[in-house]
Amino acid sequence: AQTVTQSQPEMSVQEAETVTLSCTYDTSENNYYLFWYKQPPSRQMILVIRQEAYKQQNATENRFSVNFQKAAKSFSLKISDSQLGDTAMYFCAFRANAGKSTFGDGTTLTVKP
Amino acid sequence: DVKVTQSSRYLVKRTGEKVFLECVQDMDHENMFWYRQDPGLGLRLIYFSYDVKMKEKGDIPEGYSVSREKKERFSLILESASTNQTSMYLCASRRGGETDTQYFGPGTRLTVL
Repeated sequence: AQTVTQSQPEMSVQEAETVTLSCTYDTSENNYYLFWYKQPPSRQMILVIRQEAYKQQNATENRFSVNFQKAAKSFSLKISDSQLGDTAMYFCAFRANAGKSTFGDGTTLTVKP
Repeated sequence: DVKVTQSSRYLVKRTGEKVFLECVQDMDHENMFWYRQDPGLGLRLIYFSYDVKMKEKGDIPEGYSVSREKKERFSLILESASTNQTSMYLCASRRGGETDTQYFGPGTRLTVL
């Protein structure tokens, strides 16, 4: 069974600064997909970024980027130039092929003005 | 835009009542999911469905059942609600491809008294 661990229950960052959220996972699969989802307070969860395990290049989406270390089974999310609207709970998720996803426990990020 | 809707944002029920949570998606997605979200436990999969009338148990199916009579609708049923089922329930849908994103509904906060 796959497991996903987010070791930081809560984090905070000053507006305009950079923050990194950590995620590690455990799997015996070779082909899989990793995701970061964002759940703002009282709002729907949305996808932030995803990474295919067979791709060596780290995914980026504007201010969001990942550091994917396949051998270490690590998938951290970096948020640059943090904005107040980035305040949310962030979930790391793992999925092998077209199967079900496994989510971490989440990291609550607060961006301070 | 994909839209996933859930029948209620807030619901209060009494112990022993039968509870129906409805989820509807409008993008012809094959896969639909029910999760519960509890503080410190992340998202845990209750049931999922990859086609009409098909269902698979997730990680915590006990005390729940589901129904998928139409492709766009996935219902979660609590046969006899108990206080330990007080939680946030999230529905999600996804197309059948390997890299496809899950789209989440707004959630139903269920309180069982």
